[in-house]
Amino acid sequence: EAGVTQFPSHSVIEKGQTVTLRCDPISGHDNLYWYRRVMGKEIKFLLHFVKESKQDESGMPNNRFLAERTGGTYSTLKVQPAELEDSGVYFCASSQKRSQGLDEQFFGPGTRLTVL
Amino acid sequence: QKEVEQDPGPLSVPEGAIVSLNCTYSNSAFQYFMWYRQYSRKGPELLMYTYSSGNKEDGRFTAQVDKSSKYISLFIRDSQPSDSATYLCAFQTGANNLFFGTGTRLTVIP
Repeated sequence: EAGVTQFPSHSVIEKGQTVTLRCDPISGHDNLYWYRRVMGKEIKFLLHFVKESKQDESGMPNNRFLAERTGGTYSTLKVQPAELEDSGVYFCASSQKRSQGLDEQFFGPGTRLTVL
Repeated sequence: QKEVEQDPGPLSVPEGAIVSLNCTYSNSAFQYFMWYRQYSRKGPELLMYTYSSGNKEDGRFTAQVDKSSKYISLFIRDSQPSDSATYLCAFQTGANNLFFGTGTRLTVIP
C-alpha cells in the first residue's frame, strides 16, 4: 500500500511569490492533517480535514495560507504571498476515522519550502 | 511555558549502549503519549505509544510514562547503528492533532 505522498519535495521561491503544496493521503483515510516545522522549532499543527471539511484550522498562521481538499481526496496548501518566515518543512499526515482510541497518523516525507 | 520540552541533543553513543530519551509536558489534557522516529529526509513514523502511566515494552524499546510528574521516557537497549535518527516525543488530546517536542538527534557509532 502506498504511503502519504507530497509534492514537490523541495521548493525555492522569492518573497511575494505564490507556492502550492500538494498532499495525497493513504487511500481510504478520511483524516488529513497539515503540520509545519520551522528550523530549530518543533513540528506544529496547522489544520485538520475530515473528508472535504475543515475540522480544525486553529493552527493556520494567517490568511496568506489557504488549504483545500477537493472531493475529500488530495489536499493542497497554498501560500500567497510567501514571506521569509514561511520557510520550513511542511508535513502532511493522514489517518483512518476512528470513533475512539488513538488516531494513528501516517506522515509524508514533507515539502521543504525556502523563501528567499 | 512551552507545552512540551525535549532536549535536542545531539546524542552520540557507541553501539550496544542503552539510550535514554526524555520529554516533559505541561498539558493535563494529553491522553496519548507517543514516540516518533524520523530518518533524514523522511517523515516521522510512529514507534510506540502508551495511554496510561507505566511501562510498555516492544523488543529493544521501552516507553515509560509518569503522569504525576508529566514526564515520559524512551529507552533503547542494545542500540544499533540503524537506530540513528531523530526521536520525537508527541502527545495527543481528544482533538486528534499532535503536539511534538523538538526532537533529539541520536547517532549510534559502530
